[in-house]
Amino acid sequence: DGGITQSPKYLFRKEGQNVTLSCEQNLNHDAMYWYRQDPGQGLRLIYYSQIVNDFQKGDIAEGYSVSREKKESFPLTVTSAQKNPTAFYLCASARADHMNTEAFFGQGTRLTVV
Amino acid sequence: GENVEQHPSTLSVQEGDSAVIKCTYSDSASNYFPWYKQELGKRPQLIIDIRSNVGEKKDQRIAVTLNKTAKHFSLHITETQPEDSAVYFCALRPLGFQKLVFGTGTRLLVSP
Repeated sequence: DGGITQSPKYLFRKEGQNVTLSCEQNLNHDAMYWYRQDPGQGLRLIYYSQIVNDFQKGDIAEGYSVSREKKESFPLTVTSAQKNPTAFYLCASARADHMNTEAFFGQGTRLTVV
Repeated sequence: GENVEQHPSTLSVQEGDSAVIKCTYSDSASNYFPWYKQELGKRPQLIIDIRSNVGEKKDQRIAVTLNKTAKHFSLHITETQPEDSAVYFCALRPLGFQKLVFGTGTRLLVSP
């Protein structure tokens, strides 16, 4: 069953702790993305990667870090430097051989800082 | 940076009515404009997209129009049904970049 999978679905973190969100895809997509969704603010881009071992900052990268060591995986780390980390995080992937192709989203991870 | 404005933020219609959502952009050139639907508790999914070489595209009850000169594009849903109730996002891909910039979303509520 092909697709893009995020884990866990719900995540709780204590203030001051780093936490890593998982994103895996078996669609053979080169491009992967992390978005943050807050009520009334749409989907804001955190980081994206067009190819293995390369990634670019999006609009709200501060307090986050990513890695792209494998084509299938694009984990996001929410660091203690992120001032307001409680949000819904969505990962997505797309083909990169054509510039205008559909992005497929994971089911999301809801992070709550307690 | 790129910015996409989306209006309205909420839209309530009666079943059978039409719904129109509009997006405008100002900072970038783009030739790809997708629309995503996100039902409650689910992931966003592509419902229709349009490329800059056409001005309109239709798929059953859904249509999208594009005015590149004025830098706005719109989603039209006719004969709305309760299952159309969801949050709709417009997006664009800035020319030369492999990323999608999204609007702020429109919550559509279709009442029976």
